[in-house]
Amino acid sequence: DAGVIQSPRHEVTEMGQEVTLRCKPISGHDYLFWYRQTMMRGLELLIYFNNNVPIDDSGMPEDRFSAKMPNASFSTLKIQPSEPRDSAVYFCASSVKPGSYGYTFGSGTRLTVV
Amino acid sequence: DAKTTQPNSMESNEEEPVHLPCNHSTISGTDYIHWYRQLPSQGPEYVIHGLTSNVNNRMASLAIAEDRKSSTLILHRATLRDAAVYYCILRDANSGNTPLVFGKGTRLSVIA
Repeated sequence: DAGVIQSPRHEVTEMGQEVTLRCKPISGHDYLFWYRQTMMRGLELLIYFNNNVPIDDSGMPEDRFSAKMPNASFSTLKIQPSEPRDSAVYFCASSVKPGSYGYTFGSGTRLTVV
Repeated sequence: DAKTTQPNSMESNEEEPVHLPCNHSTISGTDYIHWYRQLPSQGPEYVIHGLTSNVNNRMASLAIAEDRKSSTLILHRATLRDAAVYYCILRDANSGNTPLVFGKGTRLSVIA
């Protein structure tokens, strides 16, 4: 198994542009999570899905952020328009069920908005 | 989830044992103690978890105090590759769908 796959690994974009981050979870994992990590705030949960359905999006910072999971093998996190304060590392993780030790994280996407 | 307290940073010499403490004085009877670590430029990875008894796996050992208000992650022989941020997280066995919540963790430096 290739693990959780995120793309791109690095993204540099100009303020105001649309950014799309992608994630392929581990096959058979029913839960998918999007986290954001910054020096100031650490690892924060943005949103998570169960069986492709969003369960809790209370961590999404504002309406500029949106996430979708059109099928069990793909999810996107979109920021439109992007702002410099969105610069962070975004991680995707998947699990058989939350709370179990089976969380597997991707390598993350480092986003820089200039 | 109940709160945990960890030192901000620790330092260890290579090939020596490392004891990473975690205090969780408000732990409930159904809380599992989980440890994750995050290597530089990588996502967090699972290390070990336990409820009451000490646990061992290929990566580390987890020693849990008798009153469960504290625990210690033990790396038996630290290597340079163990330099990472280590997170201690409490997870209620009855938490259902509640995801992992990460604190600040302990940044471990390993000196050659």
